[in-house]
Amino acid sequence: ETGVTQTPRHLVMGMTNKKSLKCEQHLGHNAMYWYKQSAKKPLELMFVYSLEERVENNSVPSRFSPECPNSSHLFLHLHTLQPEDSALYLCASSRGTSGEQETQYFGPGTRLLVL
Amino acid sequence: AQSVAQPEDQVNVAEGNPLTVKCTYSVSGNPYLFWYVQYPNRGLQFLLKYITGDNLVKGSYGFEAEFNKSQTSFHLKKPSALVSDSALYFCAVRDRTGRRALTFGSGTRLQVQP
Repeated sequence: ETGVTQTPRHLVMGMTNKKSLKCEQHLGHNAMYWYKQSAKKPLELMFVYSLEERVENNSVPSRFSPECPNSSHLFLHLHTLQPEDSALYLCASSRGTSGEQETQYFGPGTRLLVL
Repeated sequence: AQSVAQPEDQVNVAEGNPLTVKCTYSVSGNPYLFWYVQYPNRGLQFLLKYITGDNLVKGSYGFEAEFNKSQTSFHLKKPSALVSDSALYFCAVRDRTGRRALTFGSGTRLQVQP
């Protein structure tokens, strides 16, 4: 185990539902990340938080809303998603966001299916 | 801008043979380079990284990678492949300036045949 947990591991939701993904890290890290992994596409960085401040937002649609209440927890709130949003959502954490501190440790992911 | 290329979607190798998974990168200046592995239904696991110093980096599970600045490459290698090495491998790069996060390659699936 990497010290990064994600819940739920699997989620099926309709396009009108609202749900949240949760990530928790037990490594004492200061930075946390959300990635989207779709079949046959490169890993897509969605959001980066450093010391609970959002430092990067890669043109992600507003139907994805991140929240970082403290350095150990990261949420991804989902609403009115589309079927093309079905993917594996990965959370990661790192000590910092600069160079050597940026070795990222990943959670197991949440497999999301939007119907 | 920074980018990573993994030119092979899949690499097949027989158990016991050496393996190489290729990665080339493009950054401004000197890079930080990483390799991650993903087993089925799991998140990515850190294998090794190049920050500075010796161009040959040794990592987990007997893997190593060689930083080649002139060829802008960071190929992953292992002298003797195991069936359990079969997985998806990702190379990642970051430049040493600014606040950009890692950029990952598209991944290479390694299949080790018994």
